[in-house]
Amino acid sequence: GDSVTQMEGPVTLSEEAFLTINCTYTATGYPSLFWYVQYPGEGLQLLLKATKADDKGSNKGFEATYRKETTSFHLEKGSVQVSDSAVYFCALYSSGNFNKFYFGSGTKLNVKP
Amino acid sequence: DTEVTQTPKHLVMGMTNKKSLKCEQHMGHRAMYWYKQKAKKPPELMFVYSYEKLSINESVPSRFSPECPNSSLLNLHLHALQPEDSALYLCASSLTGQETQYFGPGTRLLVL
Repeated sequence: GDSVTQMEGPVTLSEEAFLTINCTYTATGYPSLFWYVQYPGEGLQLLLKATKADDKGSNKGFEATYRKETTSFHLEKGSVQVSDSAVYFCALYSSGNFNKFYFGSGTKLNVKP
Repeated sequence: DTEVTQTPKHLVMGMTNKKSLKCEQHMGHRAMYWYKQKAKKPPELMFVYSYEKLSINESVPSRFSPECPNSSLLNLHLHALQPEDSALYLCASSLTGQETQYFGPGTRLLVL
């Protein structure tokens, strides 16, 4: 079945450090891939997405590239800020699973001043 | 505008109460979803409505009863809940069910 695996957290970084959160997936169809962010006490916000292999999604300095050969969609940011502290969820939607998203377990990011 | 609204923001209820959660979107989306999220966990899908018809019920107990009165509105009726049902309840919508899901801010439910 379809699934998403994320790196375990929490990830603790100092401000302006480089961020990578790993995400790999298993899918039977041709998935679209997403990163969502959840700030404390809030719902999920779409951060970025990619719908086909080699696409790069980007938003607010965050980037992720859809790598079919390694079945990965790692999230990166060159210089994190304290305001980036949140939980990040990798997710996939596959054409073989109408209406269902599969979420990773989430990775908590703590950024220290 | 990619806004999904949910009311109330917080809800405390006893195990014998009946209450309802409300979700609304005005983006013309035809698929709407209810998720349950426990602390430090990803959202778990509960129900999916597609074109106002229930298309997925993830074996949710009958004390949760969804309703989709029209294409913009989704309700979740709660009755005789258990303390373990305490969680953040998230609503989401997507254009036709095969694209990006947009989430509301959630209702934080506490069952005493």
